[in-house]
Amino acid sequence: DAKTTQPTSMDCAEGRAANLPCNHSTISGNEYVYWYRQIHSQGPQYIIHGLKNNETNEMASLIITEDRKSSTLILPHATLRDTAVYYCIVRVVDGTGNQFYFGTGTSLTVIP
Amino acid sequence: GAGVSQTPSNKVTEKGKYVELRCDPISGHTALYWYRQSLGQGPEFLIYFQGTGAADDSGLPNDRFFAVRPEGSVSTLKIQRTERGDSAVYLCASSLNSGTDEQFFGPGTRLTVL
Repeated sequence: DAKTTQPTSMDCAEGRAANLPCNHSTISGNEYVYWYRQIHSQGPQYIIHGLKNNETNEMASLIITEDRKSSTLILPHATLRDTAVYYCIVRVVDGTGNQFYFGTGTSLTVIP
Repeated sequence: GAGVSQTPSNKVTEKGKYVELRCDPISGHTALYWYRQSLGQGPEFLIYFQGTGAADDSGLPNDRFFAVRPEGSVSTLKIQRTERGDSAVYLCASSLNSGTDEQFFGPGTRLTVL
């Protein structure tokens, strides 16, 4: 079962920040939040992950609420190449349950 | 460097036939994953290998599906007596180890069962 809820679709103007929300109200203490994206006809691509602290890398920032029941992926300056389906995933990392449950994701369209 | 590769890129078969889908992971990656993606859906977990052994095959839908990774590198997903409902994109991913390591995905094999 997918343990996350995401909006089906979003639009963002090119050059603006894209803020993609995700609800994971049943997250457990040992579950990480992962974000992947999938550009049409390609395999998913890793973006970022975190446990409870906010994270930033060269692609994006991940903001996790203090109660960990929701998070937001931020693409600071969206480009047309960021048009993709974005998946928010919660995942236990304990050496056994290593599968990802992707859900249906958010289809982000960056508009020129 | 070389990423995850999958062959064939497209496979068309007839109902009832047997198919094999191949995955070449990134060299040195010990963990390998198979997923299935139907149109408009996110990828669905099938099976996960750590080395040569299947650590978790709970996502395999039924006993027509089987996967092997005999030398801990290349993996083959095997589907017997294919059904039209098996039509999907089959994705393979690998990671350096299990745990928090990111998974690198291949481009997938599009299987069409007529």
